[in-house]
Amino acid sequence: DQQVKQNSPSLSVQEGRISILNCDYTNSMFDYFLWYKKYPAEGPTFLISISSIKDKNEDGRFTVFLNKSAKHLSLHIVPSQPGDSAVYFCAASAAGNQFYFGTGTSLTVIP
Amino acid sequence: DADVTQTPRNRITKTGKRIMLECSQTKGHDRMYWYRQDPGLGLQLIYYSFDVKDINKGEISDGYSVSRQAQAKFSLSLESAIPNQTALYFCATSDSQGWQETQYFGPGTRLLVL
Repeated sequence: DQQVKQNSPSLSVQEGRISILNCDYTNSMFDYFLWYKKYPAEGPTFLISISSIKDKNEDGRFTVFLNKSAKHLSLHIVPSQPGDSAVYFCAASAAGNQFYFGTGTSLTVIP
Repeated sequence: DADVTQTPRNRITKTGKRIMLECSQTKGHDRMYWYRQDPGLGLQLIYYSFDVKDINKGEISDGYSVSRQAQAKFSLSLESAIPNQTALYFCATSDSQGWQETQYFGPGTRLLVL
């Protein structure tokens, strides 16, 4: 049973616009959430994280929002750049235990 | 040089063969993980190890075994490969900074079982 879900397999955005990637989870015990970015032929690389005590974390062009009541996580990329084209995975864990990953969203930023 | 390396990067094998995938890290991390990625299923945890003497099963350990030869090395074995083990395999490491850990991934091994 998939505890972390990314319902949009793909997303296309114009360069300079905002990209919004969404993630839903079912386990209310999750207290730490991350986003990873993956280019073809490479392993996932860490992008940004957020703990359950916060509802927003920002790092440059990347902002992660957490809505605990809705069990929903989103990643905003502003402005989007062609180099952001990749597959994005969200992941969640509870109390330092194993990570559960979503199925990924493939983002294409159109120049 | 890459911090987390995996060998081989690509492998084709036949059903019933034994195969080993190797992972090495230079990050000095205690924790190491093996994941597989299948199309549409994201990353699924196979096995993990929090130190050299610690081995734990993940979500999908059946058909796999692991060996933690040293802090820096964590191998994944398929004792008798079957076609549904065709997947992309990732090794990852992390240091145990409380519950807010970040995992660092290797480049992946693409395995095809015929």
